[in-house]
Amino acid sequence: ETGVTQTPRHLVMGMTNKKSLKCEQHLGHNAMYWYKQSAKKPLELMFVYSLEERVENNSVPSRFSPECPNSSHLFLHLHTLQPEDSALYLCASSQVGEGASGANVLTFGAGSRLTVL
Amino acid sequence: GQNIDQPTEMTATEGAIVQINCTYQTSGFNGLFWYQQHAGEAPTFLSYNVLDGLEEKGRFSSFLSRSKGYSYLLLKELQMKDSASYLCAVTDSNYQLIWGAGTKLIIKP
Repeated sequence: ETGVTQTPRHLVMGMTNKKSLKCEQHLGHNAMYWYKQSAKKPLELMFVYSLEERVENNSVPSRFSPECPNSSHLFLHLHTLQPEDSALYLCASSQVGEGASGANVLTFGAGSRLTVL
Repeated sequence: GQNIDQPTEMTATEGAIVQINCTYQTSGFNGLFWYQQHAGEAPTFLSYNVLDGLEEKGRFSSFLSRSKGYSYLLLKELQMKDSASYLCAVTDSNYQLIWGAGTKLIIKP
C-alpha cells in the first residue's frame, strides 16, 4: 500500500447508526486531516492532528468524533448523523515542520462517500 | 471574511489552451496551491506559488500576482485526461488553508 488509503469507499447509514471511517497513511507524515467535501462547495476542514496534538474546528458537531491512535492512523467516528451530513469525507496527511513555514503539501486519500438516510 | 473565487465550470477543446482563474481575499498570504481532482478520486497536488510570477511544469503553468490577489492555472495541449476539477487554495497569515469551490473543466474532442 502506498499513499493515503481510506475505508470504506462508500457507506450508507441510517440516522441512528454508529459507524467509523478509517484512514491510513504510508508516507511517514506527522500530520493528518479530515475534510468534508460537498458538491460545489469549498473543502471544509474538520479536524487536524499535527505533531501529535489535536487541533479542532469548533464548528464541527459532536456527532463527529475523531481518533488518532498513532501518526499513521486516523478514524472518524459517526453517531446519530443527519441527512445533511451526506458528503465525501477526505483524509489527508502532510509533513509539517516545527515552525510554520514553507509549502504544506497535502496528500489526500480517495475519500469515503457517505450517504445518510 | 476570507474568500476564494474561481469559475464553477469551463469547457475547452482537446489540443487547445485553457486558463483557470482564481482570485482571493484573505487575512495575509503565505502561498497559493493548485490541486487536480478527477471524479471519484483524491485531489492531487499540482503547483505552489509564493512569489509573483510564472511557474512552469510541463504542460501546466501557474501564475501569481500578490498585489492583485490573483492566480491562474494554464493548461496547454489539452488532453481528454485533463477533464477534472481544479481546486485553488491559499494559506493565510495563520497558515490555515482557505479553499475555493473548484472549477470543473470539461474537455471536448
